[in-house]
Amino acid sequence: DAGVIQSPRHEVTEMGQEVTLRCKPISGHNSLFWYRQTMMRGLELLIYFNNNVPIDDSGMPEDRFSAKMPNASFSTLKIQPSEPRDSAVYFCASSVLGTGRDTQYFGPGTRLTVL
Amino acid sequence: KQEVTQIPAALSVPEGENLVLNCSFTDSAIYNLQWFRQDPGKGLTSLLLIQSSQREQTSGRLNASLDKSSGRSTLYIAASQPGDSATYLCAVGLNNQGGKLIFGQGTELSVKP
Repeated sequence: DAGVIQSPRHEVTEMGQEVTLRCKPISGHNSLFWYRQTMMRGLELLIYFNNNVPIDDSGMPEDRFSAKMPNASFSTLKIQPSEPRDSAVYFCASSVLGTGRDTQYFGPGTRLTVL
Repeated sequence: KQEVTQIPAALSVPEGENLVLNCSFTDSAIYNLQWFRQDPGKGLTSLLLIQSSQREQTSGRLNASLDKSSGRSTLYIAASQPGDSATYLCAVGLNNQGGKLIFGQGTELSVKP
């Protein structure tokens, strides 16, 4: 298996622009997670889906952030409009929840820089 | 609110030394505890997962223990190697919330040849 795939790997944009991050989870996994990592706040869970349904979005910082999972093999995280404080590395992870083997497998991340 | 703390923030040891990384959490009602490794500029790699009913897990030179009552976990690395240099993160899975993980800030390990 190719593992969790994220695109783009790097994104540089200007304040006010829309940014869309993409994730393809591992085939057969039923849960998908979006995280944000910064030096100041560490690794934070933004939102997670189970069977394509958003379960917990309490970590989404504000209405500028939205996430979708239209099918089991694809998810997007959108920021509109972007701000410099959104600069961070965004990780997607997937797992098989409910089996007792809940290991999360992380993608390589998208490094976002908002100027 | 669950909080996860890792001490020390950074550690430097000579090659071959055995070492222990510490993780503490404030709420003992956890679903599981996971240790991850993160190399610079990379994603996280899962090392060990301990279910709340277990006391320890082992994989090769790694051994992780869990003491829920005291809110502590340790990651023991035997015979450290320069290739073990990375940041190690502890994450607590919250009870009844599926896969929601709360991460510590990590311990940056440097193993000198």
